[in-house]
Amino acid sequence: DSGVTQTPKHLITATGQRVTLRCSPRSGDLSVYWYQQSLDQGLQFLIQYYNGEERAKGNILERFSAQQFPDLHSELNLSSLELGDSALYFCASSVRPEINTEAFFGQGTRLTVV
Amino acid sequence: GENVEQHPSTLSVQEGDSAVIKCTYSDSASNYFPWYKQELGKGPQLIIDIRSNVGEKKDQRIAVTLNKTAKHFSLHITETQPEDSAVYFCAAVSPTGANNLFFGTGTRLTVIP
Repeated sequence: DSGVTQTPKHLITATGQRVTLRCSPRSGDLSVYWYQQSLDQGLQFLIQYYNGEERAKGNILERFSAQQFPDLHSELNLSSLELGDSALYFCASSVRPEINTEAFFGQGTRLTVV
Repeated sequence: GENVEQHPSTLSVQEGDSAVIKCTYSDSASNYFPWYKQELGKGPQLIIDIRSNVGEKKDQRIAVTLNKTAKHFSLHITETQPEDSAVYFCAAVSPTGANNLFFGTGTRLTVIP
């Protein structure tokens, strides 16, 4: 168990809908990262927050947004969902803001858009 | 940005044999190279990492080597066991990039008992 908690584990929703994925980092970790894992794109970095502030942005679509709350949990919001958004979404956390430090991944949320 | 290539995509070895997975990267400024193991239904787990000022690092049956000149790094697993069966990902971090991990496409390792 990495100590990173993601909910829900599975999510099935229809095209056009909006969903929220939740992540609780390891105790003491200030940095949260979101990744998307799909069969054709592999693991892609979406966005990073550190202590409540956005720190880095990767290949995140405009339909997607995220935030990190004062208690350090993070939410990834996906809107106007398309079939191609079906993927595993992982959250990872680390103590420091730099990515070249040990990061721990949660077990992921499997999103299926039908 | 950084581009990481990983080979092979699948690898089968007999229990007790060694397994080697190779990755190349494109950005010569990349300075951190972690390896992750992903078991079915789980998130990636960091198993070993190496920084650009080191050529080799070992942790029990796992070792990683880095050749900065050739821009490639490799994962070596010795005395493989069935529980080593998983998908392994290499990654690279470039300080000139968006401060993120660029992952390889993964290697599915199967250890045959």
